[in-house]
Amino acid sequence: SYELTQPPSVSVSPGQTARITCSGDALPSHYSYWYQRRPGQAPVVVIYKDNKRPPGIPERFSGSSSGTTVTLTISGVQAEDEADYYCQSSDHSGSLPWVFGGGTRLTVL
Amino acid sequence: EERLWESGGDLVQPGGSLRLSCRPSDFPFNTYAWSWVRQSPGKGLEWVSAISATGEKTYYSDSAQGRFTVSRDNSKNSLYLQMDRLRDEDTAFYYCTNLGSHGAFDTWGQGTLVTVSS
Repeated sequence: SYELTQPPSVSVSPGQTARITCSGDALPSHYSYWYQRRPGQAPVVVIYKDNKRPPGIPERFSGSSSGTTVTLTISGVQAEDEADYYCQSSDHSGSLPWVFGGGTRLTVL
Repeated sequence: EERLWESGGDLVQPGGSLRLSCRPSDFPFNTYAWSWVRQSPGKGLEWVSAISATGEKTYYSDSAQGRFTVSRDNSKNSLYLQMDRLRDEDTAFYYCTNLGSHGAFDTWGQGTLVTVSS
């Protein structure tokens, strides 16, 4: 079955840049999405269609793609950015029309 | 304000059944496709099932295929997930979420807890 692979954890100091990667064979063919999930809260879309930012999401959040890897970049990380981040994409040619990555815990040191 | 309310979670024995419901409030329910996503303790998000806006098309993950049935009643603005032959590994919080215009899962409920244990 199709999988999206993320690093389990990323740690950065405040003000630094955090980069969270997501790898999957079908990513060149399908849009990617990124969700932020703070403890006890519902997931929030921070990036859609690879690199689009929804209204209300700070400019420090950006998305990019290169081949079979997509990257969520958080520039000038703030303490409030500490959360779990999930990538999500599709594989309509397979048995998983929608799939999430395993999630990355971002720790702000 | 748009809100989603899931219900139906409970403690059930392996092999048992449950029916989850999701009823959005202040939400144009009929215009969206809807999904169920779950999160088991200590694990990440897992997509489970989806249904088109009209209900004509349904989709399932490998783990849900053949055991779960997603449905909707647009006249009642309600989404359902019938879960049969439940297994220990189905223990999770189950969330309903809509597929927004940009293709992302836009709005999420607070979840309903399903515990499968003997």
